[in-house]
Amino acid sequence: KAGVTQTPRYLIKTRGQQVTLSCSPISGHRSVSWYQQTPGQGLQFLFEYFSETQRNKGNFPGRFSGRQFSNSRSEMNVSTLELGDSALYLCASSLRFGQGAQETQYFGPGTRLLVL
Amino acid sequence: AQSVSQHNHHVILSEAASLELGCNYSYGGTVNLFWYVQYPGQHLQLLLKYFSGDPLVKGIKGFEAEFIKSKFSFNLRKPSVQWSDTAEYFCAVNARRPGGSYIPTFGRGTSLIVHP
Repeated sequence: KAGVTQTPRYLIKTRGQQVTLSCSPISGHRSVSWYQQTPGQGLQFLFEYFSETQRNKGNFPGRFSGRQFSNSRSEMNVSTLELGDSALYLCASSLRFGQGAQETQYFGPGTRLLVL
Repeated sequence: AQSVSQHNHHVILSEAASLELGCNYSYGGTVNLFWYVQYPGQHLQLLLKYFSGDPLVKGIKGFEAEFIKSKFSFNLRKPSVQWSDTAEYFCAVNARRPGGSYIPTFGRGTSLIVHP
């Protein structure tokens, strides 16, 4: 079974631009969570989607948004990029509603975003 | 706000040495506890998890962790490490919010290097 895939793997943007990252969960998984990983803040939870609905949200500004499609694929969008948005963005999938359902999350390789 | 502390940022051991990585969290309510590992060049993956029941949980590759509720701790242990255990280790806590959702919080990670 294929794992979680994320595209693109690397991305360079400039301040003020917007970016969209994509995540394809493991086949059959319906929950997708997004995380931001930086050297300064570590791994931080952005949000979780299940059945095309955002079920859970971390403490990030409204510039960070996401959506999930009927095939469970998810996209994350960051608008008006700032230098501090440079990070590794990780996606994780689980079978059902992950965070509260005590299920194992499977992580993807991440998208490394550099904002200049 | 909940927080997760991993006391050791860098640990260097020789093969066959015993390992204990500390993890403490600050949250008094219901929590689910996890240890994740990231081997060089690989995705973040689950080592073990605790939800309820026996506070001593066993994970993959000979790792175990003990939940001590009174100390808000979930320390990771392995009696005899191998060179292949060289990796980054993350402790994570999912805390149940008043509305019923769970928010994951990760520690900053511990880098383990095992000398052959």
